[in-house]
Amino acid sequence: AQSVTQPDIHITVSEGASLELRCNYSYGATPYLFWYVQSPGQGLQLLLKYFSGDTLVQGIKGFEAEFKRSQSSFNLRKPSVHWSDAAEYFCAVGAAGGNTPLVFGKGTRLSVIA
Amino acid sequence: GAVVSQHPSRVICKSGTSVKIECRSLDFQATTMFWYRQFPKQSLMLMATSNEGSKATYEQGVEKDKFLINHASLTLSTLTVTSAHPEDSSFYICSARDSNQETQYFGPGTRLLVL
Repeated sequence: AQSVTQPDIHITVSEGASLELRCNYSYGATPYLFWYVQSPGQGLQLLLKYFSGDTLVQGIKGFEAEFKRSQSSFNLRKPSVHWSDAAEYFCAVGAAGGNTPLVFGKGTRLSVIA
Repeated sequence: GAVVSQHPSRVICKSGTSVKIECRSLDFQATTMFWYRQFPKQSLMLMATSNEGSKATYEQGVEKDKFLINHASLTLSTLTVTSAHPEDSSFYICSARDSNQETQYFGPGTRLLVL
């Protein structure tokens, strides 16, 4: 069965500290992997995606993610968090072609403290 | 590029009325669009897959006669909540697939409140 697990429901980090949000997936075919961010009352914004090639992908706003096939993981990282990064983060997996719906994790809420 | 809009952003209606939500891909053509529903502090729940020129595919448990989906063009899909009830109050989000990038882009969402 296809699934995405985000083990951390809520994470709090200090501004300027590093961040890692975990994502594990279960997918029968070659996965396409995505990270989206959602601010309160807003839609989802694509941070980055992985289809193939270099397993370390760079995204917007200074985020990066690393695909590790052996661990079925696609963790999101940022070296120095800004207060504006506080939001809900969703990891998603889909099939090649994009015609099938994405499978989303339950999300990780990030809080940033001074 | 890859912008998806939704209209309206917020709507309040009386119970029993119908509400139409539009989802547009502004700078790309989308043969496939998806409609999601999101409850507070929860993830997105897929309601249906909308394919241009054909009937939508609904997820199990979603009433197709209550949530009417029309995908009449490559840039527009509409979701109509018919005979809305308070339990239909939710945040509805659409996404559109950019076939050139094999990526789904999301609209800003529509907050529906049924009184």
